[in-house]
Parts: sequence; C-alpha cells; structure tokens
Amino acid sequence: NAGVMQNPRHLVRRRGQEARLRCSPMKGHSHVYWYRQLPEEGLKFMVYLQKENIIDESGMPKERFSAEFPKEGPSILRIQQVVRGDSAAYFCASSLQGMGGYTFGSGTRLTVV
Amino acid sequence: AQTVTQSQPEMSVQEAETVTLSCTYDTSESDYYLFWYKQPPSRQMILVIRQEAYKQQNATENRFSVNFQKAAKSFSLKISDSQLGDAAMYFCAYSEGGSEKLVFGKGTKLTVNP
Repeated sequence: NAGVMQNPRHLVRRRGQEARLRCSPMKGHSHVYWYRQLPEEGLKFMVYLQKENIIDESGMPKERFSAEFPKEGPSILRIQQVVRGDSAAYFCASSLQGMGGYTFGSGTRLTVV
Repeated sequence: AQTVTQSQPEMSVQEAETVTLSCTYDTSESDYYLFWYKQPPSRQMILVIRQEAYKQQNATENRFSVNFQKAAKSFSLKISDSQLGDAAMYFCAYSEGGSEKLVFGKGTKLTVNP
C-alpha cells in the first residue's frame, strides 16, 4: 500500500518556465491538499481538492498558480512563469476524511534559477 | 486568524533523556485539533501525535506525550528516552473543527547528542 507519491522529487526551472508538480494520493483517498514550505518556515496551506472539485483555494496566489485533481490520474499543481520566489518545497497530502490527520508525501523541491 | 507559535528555534537533548518542545496557539474557537509533526532530513512529514480540544486527557503515543493546557492555549510535546532517530524538525499544527486546513508553526530543530 504505497503512501502519497510526489514527483518529481527535485525540479529545476529557469525563470519564466512552467513547473508541473504531481501528486498521487494514497489508495482510496479522495481528499488532496497542497502546502508550500519556504526555507526556515513551516508549511503554508495552498489548496484543498476533492475529485474534480476545488474546495478551498484560499492559500493559492492569485496569479500563475493553479491546481487540479481530475477524475482519473494524479493531482497537479501548476506554476506558470516561475520566479525565484517560487523556490520552495511543495508538499501534497491526502486523507479519507480530513481533520488534519492526513498523510504527507515527501515533497517536491522546486528551484528556480 | 489562528496562529501557532513555537518559541524554540532549536533544542538539544542527550540520548536517553527527556526533552519538551513548546507550542502556543491563538484561537477563539472551541472545536479544534492540535498536532505535532516530525520532519527528518528526508523531508517526509510524519504525524507524531494528535489531540482533540474537547478531550481533557493528554494524548500519548509510546515515548511521545503532550501537555495540553486549553486555558493557556499551550500544547507542548514531551519526548522521553530520546533516541538518535528522533533528531528532526518538529512542527506544531492546528486545525479548526470542520476545516481541512492546517496552520503550522515555524518549527523546532531537535538535535539528539550521543
């Protein structure tokens, strides 16, 4: 029973390129969450999705960031026209019912050069 | 907005001894949950322990226990018989009842000395 799978583990992008981060939740989990961790900081909530629905995107920057969780396939966090300030670790988590006791993936470290 | 404060950026403990990590939070809600997560160098976020605010009894998981002081809005983590594998960043987190969102503190880096 694989845990939450995130790929790639490391991603390097030049300024202005697009970054696509993938997250496959644990088997049977239909709730997915994305968090961002800046250096020396705790994780900050970005977005909460269920299959084909965005439930809460209150932590998402208004521009350049989008997320989806299609009926089939992984959840995708997409960052368009990346800038240096987007460099961070991006974590995905999944749960059956939420309430915070969810399972995290190992994160994707995005470096913008 | 709810906030979580971890006032100790770094702590160290000798192997086999006990250490307590501090966490305070600010909320006006009565229904909420509190968590401690461990993040070792592998970066994986691991749930250590969870506390429901309505429960007066402090949660315990093997060598890990909490001291939950609801009136003081304090939620400290005690690690007994510290092991080298306990070395990691520890994050305190809060979620409001019915919300899926976690609010994290900035973390405490724990070093375990042999």
